[in-house]
Amino acid sequence: QSVLTQTPSVSGAPGQRVTISCIGSSSNIGAGYDVHWYQHLPGTAPKLLIYGNNNRPSGVPDRFSGSKSGTSASLAITGLQAEDEADYYCQSYDNSLSGSVVFGGGTKLTV
Amino acid sequence: QITLKESGPTLVKHTQTLTLTCSFSAFSLYTSGEAVGWIRQPPGKALEWLGLIYWNDEKRYSPSLKNRLTITRDTSKNEVVLTMTNMDPVDTATYYCAHSRPRYHDFDYWGQGTLVTVSS
Repeated sequence: QSVLTQTPSVSGAPGQRVTISCIGSSSNIGAGYDVHWYQHLPGTAPKLLIYGNNNRPSGVPDRFSGSKSGTSASLAITGLQAEDEADYYCQSYDNSLSGSVVFGGGTKLTV
Repeated sequence: QITLKESGPTLVKHTQTLTLTCSFSAFSLYTSGEAVGWIRQPPGKALEWLGLIYWNDEKRYSPSLKNRLTITRDTSKNEVVLTMTNMDPVDTATYYCAHSRPRYHDFDYWGQGTLVTVSS
C-alpha cells in the first residue's frame, strides 16, 4: 500500500465541484513537506497540476486548486469538464528511511 | 523547454538486469538545483518512485528497491542511466524519467515513458 492514502475513485457531473483527498503522516505531509498533484491520462505522461501545496504551473486552469492542513492535503476541481476524467496522484517527501519521494495510490475521477 | 526521453529494451527475461537511459535537454545536471528522477507504473497500478540523482551526484533510492537500483549520470551526453538487477515479472511497468526540482521535490517535466515487460 502507498505511504499517502487516496480515495480510489470519485465522480461528478459536468460543471460540479469535486475534491480529492491525500492523507499522510508526521513523517511526510505532517512534517511540513510540500504536496504536489499530478493528472495522468492513459497512455500519456503524468502532468504536474499543483506544486508546493497550492501553486499552479503555467497553463493549468484556475479550476484546479490545492490545499494542505496538518497531515493531509486536498485537490479541488471546480466546473468539471469531460476532459478532466483522469487519474490524479498526490506526491510528497518522507523523512523516514533516509528520505524518499512518496506517491499516493491515485484517484480515478469519472466525469 | 525541458524535454526527456527514455530508451532501452522493451523485453527482458527473469533475473536479467535492466538498463534504461534518460536523454534530456534544456538543463544540465551540473547546475545547482537540478535533479532527475525515475518513476514507474505497473499496468493498472499506481505510480511508484524509484530514485533520484542530484546535480552534486547525490543519489536517493526507494527503500524497498535500493538493493537492486543504481542511477548514474553521463553529463557529457546529458543522460541518466537506471540499472535494475534481478528483474522479475512483477517489475513489468512503464518506466518514466522526470526532471525534479529539489527545492520542491516535485517532477515538473516527464518523459513519455517506456513499457518494459519481464518474461518468466
